Amino acid sequence: DTGVSQDPRHKITKRGQNVTFRCDPISEHNRLYWYRQTLGQGPEFLTYFQNEAQLEKSRLLSDRFSAERPKGSFSTLEIQRTEQGDSAMYLCASSLAGLIYGYTFGSGTRLTVV
Amino acid sequence: SQQGEEDPQALSIQEGENATMNCSYKTSINNLQWYRQNSGRGLVHLILIRSNEREKHSGRLRVTLDTSKKSSSLLITASRAADTASYFCATDPLIQGAQKLVFGQGTRLTINP
Repeated sequence: DTGVSQDPRHKITKRGQNVTFRCDPISEHNRLYWYRQTLGQGPEFLTYFQNEAQLEKSRLLSDRFSAERPKGSFSTLEIQRTEQGDSAMYLCASSLAGLIYGYTFGSGTRLTVV
Repeated sequence: SQQGEEDPQALSIQEGENATMNCSYKTSINNLQWYRQNSGRGLVHLILIRSNEREKHSGRLRVTLDTSKKSSSLLITASRAADTASYFCATDPLIQGAQKLVFGQGTRLTINP
């Protein structure tokens, strides 16, 4: 297990199209987080899972966004009807329960909506 | 919303000098963490300091925490070109039900050879 994997690394899509990103966390980590980061800013929380349960969603996560973590393993983040404002780096992180260990981040998926 | 504010927003120093970055936050916390991000990459966890700790060291890193002032600092000693990156503080807020880190806007550090 070499860390958190995200796929794809880059995605260019036309406005109005749907996109889906995948995150494979560290296998023994039961928590998985999605963050969004725009240029020059820090990561902003989107949602998190403990095992397969989605426990919190940010107000940033409009109804065009949906995330799943079937069977508590990998996770997907889908954006429907993409808008130019969705262009950002989407970061996935995993951790053990509790925040005393820190997060392990993936390399992110950079989304560009044209 | 972002709880932490880092200062300065950008810092440029010569290799071998020490770099100090500051972070202020708004609410009480369980712990505070520092992360590094190289351009276009994910974040890497550097160090965690608990709310009952005042100082922590890890290699060339020294972190201090002042909960009365709601502030923290990260000191990188004997900087190297490879330290060029953005540095973020992240807080674990002491709010019931809060189960996520809240990140600041970061300090962009440039080490000049």
